[in-house]
Amino acid sequence: GDSVTQMEGPVTLSEEAFLTINCTYTATGYPSLFWYVQYPGEGLQLLLKATKADDKGSNKGFEATYRKETTSFHLEKGSVQVSDSAVYFCASVTNAGGTSYGKLTFGQGTILTVHP
Amino acid sequence: DTAVSQTPKYLVTQMGNDKSIKCEQNLGHDTMYWYKQDSKKFLKIMFSYNNKELIINETVPNRFSPKSPDKAHLNLHINSLELGDSAVYFCASSLVGGPAQYFGPGTRLTVL
Repeated sequence: GDSVTQMEGPVTLSEEAFLTINCTYTATGYPSLFWYVQYPGEGLQLLLKATKADDKGSNKGFEATYRKETTSFHLEKGSVQVSDSAVYFCASVTNAGGTSYGKLTFGQGTILTVHP
Repeated sequence: DTAVSQTPKYLVTQMGNDKSIKCEQNLGHDTMYWYKQDSKKFLKIMFSYNNKELIINETVPNRFSPKSPDKAHLNLHINSLELGDSAVYFCASSLVGGPAQYFGPGTRLTVL
């Protein structure tokens, strides 16, 4: 079945530092890829997505590029803020039989803490 | 104008009790899901419904029974609660052909 592997955390950075959270996937088909963010005490919010190879998803200064050749979807941000402190989840979904009832497969989550 | 809402937000109960969690979405989506997040933050799908029909049923104990009265609602009923059921349960929804799924705020269930 599909699987998603994220870099282990936690990650601690100073404000304005560069962020990279690695994510790699395995899938039998051609998955769509996502990054979700979970702020403390809240639910998951869709941060960005990419549905085919070489697509770049971006939102709120975060970016991730769908790399089929390396089966990766690394999350990056050039300058993090304290308000970015959260848990970040990489996820994939593969269409099954032409439908999109596919289940999201999540990575284990990476805790990011940004200090002033 | 909450997109995906869940009630209650917190649920504390004794072992052996039966409880329900409700979920509603006003996004016009036709597919809804339940996910479980354990104490280590790991998320795993439990069920998926499309237009009130069960589509995905992972290896979840029979004590868990989803019910979808219409495509905007997906409730989760849990019988004979056990300590290991303590977790955060998230409801989500999407369009067929979405593929993005949108999540509710979660229900933190604590079984004592």
